[in-house]
Amino acid sequence: DAMVIQNPRYQVTQFGKPVTLSCSQTLNHNVMYWYQQKSSQAPKLLFHYYDKDFNNEADTPDNFQSRRPNTSFCFLDIRSPGLGDAAMYLCATSRVPGVAAPTDTQYFGPGTRLTVL
Amino acid sequence: AQKVTQAQTEISVVEKEDVTLDCVYETRDTTYYLFWYKQPPSGELVFLIRRNSFDEQNEISGRYSWNFQKSTSSFNFTITASQVVDSAVYFCALSEMYSGGGADGLTFGKGTHLIIQP
Repeated sequence: DAMVIQNPRYQVTQFGKPVTLSCSQTLNHNVMYWYQQKSSQAPKLLFHYYDKDFNNEADTPDNFQSRRPNTSFCFLDIRSPGLGDAAMYLCATSRVPGVAAPTDTQYFGPGTRLTVL
Repeated sequence: AQKVTQAQTEISVVEKEDVTLDCVYETRDTTYYLFWYKQPPSGELVFLIRRNSFDEQNEISGRYSWNFQKSTSSFNFTITASQVVDSAVYFCALSEMYSGGGADGLTFGKGTHLIIQP
């Protein structure tokens, strides 16, 4: 089945130790997104890739970076995790919007729950 | 800027009752899209429905129905004959048409935690 896959599902890291979260998709979607969701809060968009074009949200901390080596994979790098970065990180994908449908549905992966010790 | 308000933080009902989850949105765009997602305890966001701003028809899918009213900027979600498996956090979300016709992220409401008691 076509899907969005995130690895690992649970990640524990130490304060200040770089960590990378992975997302892959078999939907062949051109757009990939990273959201941060803290406990009992709504998901918050960090950034997204439209093909190879990177779009950063204005309030996303510099501590967060992303890479998209090809259509299928996208990575979230946290350079120096702080205690406040503990959250669920959700990856989503959508098709390239067209004239008839300027915004398409986003499909989410199961998320990676990050714990910072 | 866009905003989505889900005033109900938590709703608890007994199984088989009907329940309505409210969603009110704000946007300056004339073209926009509204969504509902379900987030069970496992954490994955499950897509339920997408509605564009030009389509005000209500929709029914099994026990789920959605009432979109542009006049009141609302997009409410009703579950009839609720079941324990409906217990989850439900998010309403808005996406505006990105300038140039590109993709854009979703603006989520804070979510409504729905508890269905047996």
